[in-house]
Parts: sequence; structure tokens; C-alpha cells
Amino acid sequence: DSGVTQTPKHLITATGQRVTLRCSPRSGDLSVYWYQQSLDQGLQFLIQYYNGEERAKGNILERFSAQQFPDLHSELNLSSLELGDSALYFCASSVASGGADEQFFGPGTRLTVL
Amino acid sequence: AQSVTQLGSHVSVSEGALVLLRCNYSSSVPPYLFWYVQYPNQGLQLLLKYTTGATLVKGINGFEAEFKKSETSFHLTKPSAHMSDAAEYFCAVIRWNSGNTPLVFGKGTRLSVIA
Repeated sequence: DSGVTQTPKHLITATGQRVTLRCSPRSGDLSVYWYQQSLDQGLQFLIQYYNGEERAKGNILERFSAQQFPDLHSELNLSSLELGDSALYFCASSVASGGADEQFFGPGTRLTVL
Repeated sequence: AQSVTQLGSHVSVSEGALVLLRCNYSSSVPPYLFWYVQYPNQGLQLLLKYTTGATLVKGINGFEAEFKKSETSFHLTKPSAHMSDAAEYFCAVIRWNSGNTPLVFGKGTRLSVIA
């Protein structure tokens, strides 16, 4: 158990819908990262927040957005969903903003868009 | 830009045999390199990392990796495979970008261990 929690575990929805994925980092960790894992794209970094502020942006679509709240939990919002958005979404956390800090991964949320 | 290439999407070894998973990186600056493991239906777990100092890095579960700058490689090895090692393994590099450091992952190598 990494100490990072993600809800829900599974999500099945239809094209065009909007969903919210939630992540609670390990106690004491200030950074939260979101990753998307799919068969064709592999593991892709989406976005990073550090202590409530956006720190880095990767291959995140404009239909996707995220935020980190004062209690440090984070939410990833996916809207106007397409079939291709079906993937495993991981959240990770680390103590600080980067460098050699180990990132601890949650168990993931499996999103299926029908 | 930093990136990693993992040679072989699938490696199969017999139980007790040597495990060798290959990773080559490209980086314009000294890299920070990582190996993560993903067991079925689980998140990723850090096996080991190289930052600076000793080039032979020991990790959990008997794995180790050697940073070879001349070969731009960071191959993962384990002397004797165990059934429980069957998993997906990812090599990753830190992408330096104005002080922000997201991980860039390779495509992954699925390790199968045959009894």
C-alpha cells in the first residue's frame, strides 16, 4: 500500500459525458501528479500540482483539467469524453516538487467510455 | 528532450535464470533514472533509482541496475528469477524543465517467468 488513494476504482460512462477522478496523496506529500496509461500511448504524464499550484503540464488535452485543494487532495476532470479516453488514470504523490523525489503511485482509476 | 527506450516489449525467462531488462536513455544533462514495477491490477512501485554517485544501484526484491554513461544505458538485472517477479517493468527518466520534474516513461517490458 503506497498510501495514495484514488476513487473510484472503476468508472464506466458514455461518450460526451464528464467525470471527476479523485486522489488523496500520502500524508505529508505536497506534490500530486496525474498520469494516463493506455495500450497505444503507454504511460503519459498529464499534469503536476505542488501545494495547490500547477507546476508542470504534459500531454493533457484541453478537455481535461485538474486542481489541488487546500487539503492537498486533487481532482482530475475529464469532459466531452471520447472512446479514446478509455484508460487507466494514475495519481502519484511526492514530498516536494521534483528532483530525485520518489513518486508514490495510487492503484489507479480505470475509465471505460462506451 | 529526455527520453527512454526499452528494448523488448516482452521478455520470458525460466525460474532461477538471469533477468535482464534493457533501457537506454537520451538526455542532454546528467539524468536521474528510475525503474518501476507494475504488478497486475496495481499501481507502480519504485524498484530503484540512480541520481549521482555509485553507478551500480541496488533496489528491492534483489534487483539492481548499472548506470553506464558511455553506453547511455541503465539495464535492470536480477541473478535468479522468481515466479513473483512476473510483472510489467518501466524505465523512466526525469525531464528537467524549468525546475519541474515529471517522469518520462519507457513503453514498458512485460516479464514472464516460466516454471
